[in-house]
Amino acid sequence: EIVLTQSPGTLSLSPGERATLSCRASQSVASSYLAWYQQKPGRALRLLIYGASNRAAGIPDRFSGSGSGADFTLTITRLEPEDFAVYYCQLYNRSPPWTFGLGTKVEIK
Amino acid sequence: EVQLVESGGGLVQPGGSLRLSCATSGFTFSENYMTWVRQAPGKGLEWVANIEADGSQKGYADSVKGRFTISRDNAKNSLYLQMNSLRAEDTAVYYCARDWWYSERYPTLDAWGQGTVVTV
Repeated sequence: EIVLTQSPGTLSLSPGERATLSCRASQSVASSYLAWYQQKPGRALRLLIYGASNRAAGIPDRFSGSGSGADFTLTITRLEPEDFAVYYCQLYNRSPPWTFGLGTKVEIK
Repeated sequence: EVQLVESGGGLVQPGGSLRLSCATSGFTFSENYMTWVRQAPGKGLEWVANIEADGSQKGYADSVKGRFTISRDNAKNSLYLQMNSLRAEDTAVYYCARDWWYSERYPTLDAWGQGTVVTV
């Protein structure tokens, strides 16, 4: 089973700053199968990025994804107040079909 | 607008049973794989089970295999999770989600409900 390791666990930043979140797979994976999600308390999870670098519908362009092989990155160029949340990377695979990282919490400094 | 609304959560004793439901709208339910994901308190997300569009194929996490059963009623646009022999470690928020492949190349869970809380 492929394991996704996200780092850092918590990122303390101020509005307007740049956030860089890492997701590392335990082996090389297909970038087309890597996605990122945002979770806020009491809200449904929101798909941000699919295929490692494609923004989902309605996602602001301050969110971008990159990477290949085993290393992937989610970047938020200028944090808005509504961006403080937990972010998960996710991989589609044969078994189990969906694997998630443990998340990175982006909190207000 | 795609909507998924879970229900059926609650407090149950170890060894007990619970049936979760997920009512959907805004899309052609019968054409989509559907998935249950859970999140234990303070923990990350864990895939629980999924089911093919016509209900013919189902998959389960090892942690729930033999105890949980996923099903669907395409006439009612609804997804279910029957949970038996519940354990303390099954305590979590349970989410239903829609499987969606962008451009037939990029798999995602593109729509989620807000979850229902199960406490064992």
